[in-house]
Amino acid sequence: QKEVEQDPGPLSVPEGAIVSLNCTYSNSAFQYFMWYRQYSRKGPELLMYTYSSGNKEDGRFTAQVDKSSKYISLFIRDSQPSDSATYLCAMSAAGGTSYGKLTFGQGTILTVHP
Amino acid sequence: DSGVTQTPKHLITATGQRVTLRCSPRSGDLSVYWYQQSLDQGLQFLIHYYNGEERAKGNILERFSAQQFPDLHSELNLSSLELGDSALYFCASSAGTTGTDTQYFGPGTRLTVL
Repeated sequence: QKEVEQDPGPLSVPEGAIVSLNCTYSNSAFQYFMWYRQYSRKGPELLMYTYSSGNKEDGRFTAQVDKSSKYISLFIRDSQPSDSATYLCAMSAAGGTSYGKLTFGQGTILTVHP
Repeated sequence: DSGVTQTPKHLITATGQRVTLRCSPRSGDLSVYWYQQSLDQGLQFLIHYYNGEERAKGNILERFSAQQFPDLHSELNLSSLELGDSALYFCASSAGTTGTDTQYFGPGTRLTVL
């Protein structure tokens, strides 16, 4: 079983829809939670970063972390065709040499059609 | 543009050969990370260097090695290449080594082993 599970989709939604992306994890040591967006043939770019449990909002994006359930989510409001990309959740543990190691989910392919 | 550069963009080689991938981190960043992205395994952490020293290793094969030079650029050496080594190889950099340090990814090197 993988440490981080993410539904690969693909997910196809109409423009303006609310998109919900999720990951579950098994490692209780994970303290830092991130969402990366990756366009085709590009490197991942950081979208959202959250430390421990809670919510964080940035424009149309909201990240939620529920450590008790080992579950994280990313919500995209008013989705746009330019949001079409692969979304990767990533996590890291705290302490020692674990800080730098990001463990990624498989990625969810999202298409927003006009 | 993340500020992380990787060369070459594409590499096509034969089984049994050896290749070197190069990464230049963002100006001022001391940490360099290498990741491998394949369709079946997703994005996997390989190794982390900080200011010239190895800090953490992931599931990196013994045929693979890396180093970070005094000017902070890094090279990933892949030897005795196999078909299964075909993948996208990403380099990322960050300022330090803490969990709050954002990792910025380069555009990747696409390796094809024939």
